[in-house]
Amino acid sequence: EVQLVESGGGLVKPGESLTLSCAASGFTFSIAWMSWVRQAPGKGLEWVGRIKSKTDGGTTEYAAPVKGRFTISRDDSKTTLFLHMNSLKTEDTAVYYCTTDSRLRHLGYYYYGLDVWGRGTTVTVSS
Amino acid sequence: DIQMTQSPSSLSASVGDRVTITCRASQSISSYLNWYHHKPGQAPRLLIFAASGLQSGVPSRFSGSGSGTDFTLTISSLQPEDFASYYCQQSYSTPWTFGQGTKVEIK
Repeated sequence: EVQLVESGGGLVKPGESLTLSCAASGFTFSIAWMSWVRQAPGKGLEWVGRIKSKTDGGTTEYAAPVKGRFTISRDDSKTTLFLHMNSLKTEDTAVYYCTTDSRLRHLGYYYYGLDVWGRGTTVTVSS
Repeated sequence: DIQMTQSPSSLSASVGDRVTITCRASQSISSYLNWYHHKPGQAPRLLIFAASGLQSGVPSRFSGSGSGTDFTLTISSLQPEDFASYYCQQSYSTPWTFGQGTKVEIK
């Protein structure tokens, strides 16, 4: 069964750091591109960032609100994705989801889609 | 960044109703448009990719259409498990951006 399980959420104070993990199983993690998406209380979904597979360069991209504070990394030997969050702000309070950022084929062309999701882990930033 | 605007923000409907949700992009995104279903406490689910491609395992009552800047998600006959929030998302260029969501509630 294809599965993603996030962990590491909790209550932290503004300015502190936290690392989230996402354990993957049921698919070839090493070739998967992976994204983090978050949902603040009462708000919609917001893309946080992405990491490509090492074979595709392993590069990362981030949304503007987290760029320079958050870092995405991966350990393919442990099929685990990480989100390292520094200098946390109250506005980072959200449920954080990891998701596969997959190439999907339709009518002969390839498109990206976030097709496997975990259930999320909650991060609360409050003094 | 590409802005995505959904309408309506919420709607009330009954089981068996036909429901339509629209999504507009701030610039042309060709067919790089996905739709997701999300219930509180659950993992979001990809329904439609490439504007009209039905993701594997998704019931055929869901369909998508559109290209360029205007897109539509249609549920042909609403089922009890379909009461949830729906989001469009552009995959034309990063940063990926989502619409603000449409909450489908029971009438």
